Amino acid sequence: SAVISQKPSRDICQRGTSLTIQCQVDSQVTMMFWYRQQPGQSLTLIATANQGSEATYESGFVIDKFPISRPNLTFSTLTVSNMSPEDSSIYLCSVGQSNEEKLFFGSGTQLSVL
Amino acid sequence: LAKTTQPISMDSYEGQEVNITCSHNNIATNDYITWYQQFPSQGPRFIIQGYKTKVTNEVASLFIPADRKSSTLSLPRVSLSDTAVYYCLVAYGGGDTGRRALTFGSGTRLQVQP
Repeated sequence: SAVISQKPSRDICQRGTSLTIQCQVDSQVTMMFWYRQQPGQSLTLIATANQGSEATYESGFVIDKFPISRPNLTFSTLTVSNMSPEDSSIYLCSVGQSNEEKLFFGSGTQLSVL
Repeated sequence: LAKTTQPISMDSYEGQEVNITCSHNNIATNDYITWYQQFPSQGPRFIIQGYKTKVTNEVASLFIPADRKSSTLSLPRVSLSDTAVYYCLVAYGGGDTGRRALTFGSGTRLQVQP
């Protein structure tokens, strides 16, 4: 299994600002994903972070709002841009090694937007 | 329309066996069915994964009928520490039926009583 460090663990932000979340993995991984989990809800995939190329976004998520970087096989960032209270959620980094369904998750970033 | 359904909540007592079923019509034919456990303020943790019939590991068993329209996670002799939310993860689409999408179920909140 992979050890995933995600930071910040939580933040309170003002409307209109941006927050960048970092995800560091202790080993090289091919698959890296960003999920959102709203309070009391299930997980929704935002995008797949592709090393050396643009991320692949799911329906309802766009690059301008959630830019993602993945400069190498152990690190990725997700930025939540121009935040509004509707962006208040938990954002989770996850990685897959053997297959896309067997995922390891970070502890998440709890974001509150005022 | 792809839909993944789980019971919202279940109650049990220590030492009992708990079975949680996920209904998932029309999932991708060549993908795993995977189950996760999530505690508050933590990312989901992989429990078990299977393709068909029965899979067992040191933590749980997973039963998948031949039609793969559902799957059942079985937790033998639960303890208080098994109180958590349990999610199934399945894939829809792919191949000729369109883009593949990994979808988490809505989650089942298991409460184990002493």
